[in-house]
Amino acid sequence: ILNVEQSPQSLHVQEGDSTNFTCSFPSSNFYALHWYRWETAKSPEALFVMTLNGDEKKKGRISATLNTKEGYSYLYIKGSQPEDSATYLCASPYSGGGADGLTFGKGTHLIIQP
Amino acid sequence: DTAVSQTPKYLVTQMGNDKSIKCEQNLGHDTMYWYKQDSKKFLKIMFSYNNKELIINETVPNRFSPKSPDKAHLNLHINSLELGDSAVYFCASSQAGTGKFFGPGTRLTVL
Repeated sequence: ILNVEQSPQSLHVQEGDSTNFTCSFPSSNFYALHWYRWETAKSPEALFVMTLNGDEKKKGRISATLNTKEGYSYLYIKGSQPEDSATYLCASPYSGGGADGLTFGKGTHLIIQP
Repeated sequence: DTAVSQTPKYLVTQMGNDKSIKCEQNLGHDTMYWYKQDSKKFLKIMFSYNNKELIINETVPNRFSPKSPDKAHLNLHINSLELGDSAVYFCASSQAGTGKFFGPGTRLTVL
């Protein structure tokens, strides 16, 4: 089981502003880094799976970068909207094998204020 | 068309009972998982399973056991339920190396 940490724990952002938050993970024996979006009363929903150092992925107004050498990933949200309010989880698998269960961070709880 | 389904959605039971939670995925994925959301809303892996290996988180009590009748199902059986087992349990599935698809969760309450 890995040590995956996220900061900040919670974040209030004004509608229309852009924001970002961090996930840090062990840089040794790295396999992949996952980002999930988890709305209240729903299930976590996969946003990105990143494996290569320097990787950058984008989905609409949300993007993520990956630095495997220093062990961190950033998630960016451009022009925040109320529907972006959710908990954003990052996670990393503890092995590269087929049954690759994830170790999750505790999440960043994002609240977009109208 | 639900991708990953779990039953029941809510389960209330007495301490000491044995219960099962069922999970089914219709995505054709090779691997299935069980996660526990603890009281602090933290998701923790319990089991990872495909047809080749079962990986068990060593912190999971042996009262918990996964049972897979076929590739599309991974049920969670719990013996001698304790108060501390109360939590939300999520099933998930994926192909190796891809994002996980989570089920809706089962809220277990042990009285």
